[in-house]
Amino acid sequence: AQKITQTQPGMFVQEKEAVTLDCTYDTSDQSYGLFWYKQPSSGEMIFLIYQGSYDEQNATEGRYSLNFQKARKSANLVISASQLGDSAMYFCAMREGGVILTGGGNKLTFGTGTQLKVEL
Amino acid sequence: GAGVSQSPSNKVTEKGKDVELRCDPISGHTALYWYRQSLGQGLEFLIYFQGNSAPDKSGLPSDRFSAERTGGSVSTLTIQRTQQEDSAVYLCASSERTLRREQFFGPGTRLTVL
Repeated sequence: AQKITQTQPGMFVQEKEAVTLDCTYDTSDQSYGLFWYKQPSSGEMIFLIYQGSYDEQNATEGRYSLNFQKARKSANLVISASQLGDSAMYFCAMREGGVILTGGGNKLTFGTGTQLKVEL
Repeated sequence: GAGVSQSPSNKVTEKGKDVELRCDPISGHTALYWYRQSLGQGLEFLIYFQGNSAPDKSGLPSDRFSAERTGGSVSTLTIQRTQQEDSAVYLCASSERTLRREQFFGPGTRLTVL
């Protein structure tokens, strides 16, 4: 079974509109972390936002917010007021395990990504 | 401050040759990770170093792949007897020793095996 599922291979949004990128995850761990990364055409992976499994409030970072629904195991990224520079590939990722700082509990498992295109 | 750096940015090699890819993590970051990104396989974890602990090598695809980290800083990923299926972008990341441990990635090394 896929640990991270991103069902939208491509999305279009008009400039200044909001867009939601979907992400569902599968884990039996109680403690885990969810991340979103942006990868522009230049190739570098840029960290956007983090949500811990025990965080009670949805994470926000500027125009990015994470709609975390724990019971549904979903962690959708919401980008408000889209800009042309937001056009990129977006990856959802999960780190299983909590405060363990050694061993296997630190690698990220990535989804297949969503290609977002912002149009005028 | 300086981010994660990787060298070379591009590497073209012939099948059967060995290659070394280098990663310089962010200063002060104790954890270092290698990932591989290819069209067919997406983003895959390869190996993880944390301080002086034994590395987590669970993602290395074969014994042709190895990595070391010297002095808790710079890391080298070595691929021996390269195969065409090794062609990919190899990404290095580092993180601090915090609960969040967000990983900051370098620009990657694009490896092409002819």
